[in-house]
Amino acid sequence: DAGITQSPRYKITETGRQVTLMCHQTWSHSYMFWYRQDLGHGLRLIYYSAAADITDKGEVPDGYVVSRSKTENFPLTLESATRSQTSVYFCASNEGPNSPLHFGNGTRLTVT
Amino acid sequence: GEDVEQSLFLSVREGDSSVINCTYTDSSSTYLYWYKQEPGAGLQLLTYIFSNMDMKQDQRLTVLLNKKDKHLSLRIADTQTGDSAIYFCAESIIGGYNKLIFGAGTRLAVHP
Repeated sequence: DAGITQSPRYKITETGRQVTLMCHQTWSHSYMFWYRQDLGHGLRLIYYSAAADITDKGEVPDGYVVSRSKTENFPLTLESATRSQTSVYFCASNEGPNSPLHFGNGTRLTVT
Repeated sequence: GEDVEQSLFLSVREGDSSVINCTYTDSSSTYLYWYKQEPGAGLQLLTYIFSNMDMKQDQRLTVLLNKKDKHLSLRIADTQTGDSAIYFCAESIIGGYNKLIFGAGTRLAVHP
């Protein structure tokens, strides 16, 4: 089925570990985004990508790394996880400016 | 600056109308969106309005935009228990990188 899928749905990791969250979309959308959702903060943009091999920082990029070697994939890596990175992470995509964002179902990450 | 504000909680009786309000600060907004988030799921696009419109109706949903006051509202007629969710207002702004600014979300609780 067409859509945007995230994996894993749930992840528990320890402080200091590296963890990668996966995102895959089947629409061939140019733009992809990573948001985190925390109580009281709504959604905050971590990183975004306008096309393959083009990525840029959002509001809260520290501690995260992204790559976009293929249009359909946009993995998010926490290089050394911290407890403050416990959150729900959403991947999203769209065709371009002024088009709606389509979201995945999220990954709930707990850092112990 | 860019900011989107919403009240955090709304409780209504089943069958009544719900009105969720949102204010934004960026006058260069092009599109304004309403998203719905059910528990454990991603954000689902409900409806959107272009900034040169003042009203849009879609079945039970009515969006009103007051551009002078930078105020957006979502009215849900005949609210049902299935409408219980978190509703996010978001604005798309000109320039930058295809950026959406989200409010913190309004939790709608529908009771019998």
